[in-house]
Amino acid sequence: EIVLTQSPGTLSLSPGERATLSCRASQSVASNYLAWYQQKGGQAPRLLIYAASSRATGIPDRFSGSGSGTDFTLTISRLEPEDSAVYYCQRYSAIPPWTFGPGTKVEI
Amino acid sequence: QVHLVESGGDVVQPGGSLRLSCVASAFSFSDYGMHWVRQAPGQGLEWVAVLSFAGTNKFYADSVKGRFTISRDNSRNTVYLQMNGLRVEDTALYYCASDLYPRSSWGVFERWGQGTLVTVSS
Repeated sequence: EIVLTQSPGTLSLSPGERATLSCRASQSVASNYLAWYQQKGGQAPRLLIYAASSRATGIPDRFSGSGSGTDFTLTISRLEPEDSAVYYCQRYSAIPPWTFGPGTKVEI
Repeated sequence: QVHLVESGGDVVQPGGSLRLSCVASAFSFSDYGMHWVRQAPGQGLEWVAVLSFAGTNKFYADSVKGRFTISRDNSRNTVYLQMNGLRVEDTALYYCASDLYPRSSWGVFERWGQGTLVTVSS
């Protein structure tokens, strides 16, 4: 089973700054089947990115994903106060189980 | 606007049972695989179960296999999670979610409900 590790655990930045979140897999992620979710306090998660770099419907273009193999990155280019949240990466595939990383908390 | 509304969460003793429901609206429910994902208090996300769009294929996390059963009624736009043999460690907010891709189950969770809380405690 592929294990996902996220770093840093917490990221404290100011509005307008750039956030770079890392997700590392214990084995290569086939076909870049890697997704990112945002979860704000008391809310359900929201899909941001799938296939490592494709933005989900309605996601602003300041959110971008990149990477391949075992190393993936979520970048928020210009932080806004409403971006305060926990961000999870997740590996998916045609066959379960599907696992999430432990999350990175972004404080603004 | 797409809605997924979960219900059925409650406080239950260890060994007890609960059935969760999730009613969908404003999308073609019968075309999408449906999942349950849970989140223990203050913890991360854990995928629990999936049922294919036609109800023919179902898979479970090892942590719930043999105790939980997922089902769906496409005529009612509803997915269920029957939970038996509940344990303290099953305490969590349970979300239903629909897959991103129609007529498949890839484990990309596009639409989410707001969750229903299950507490297992004596």
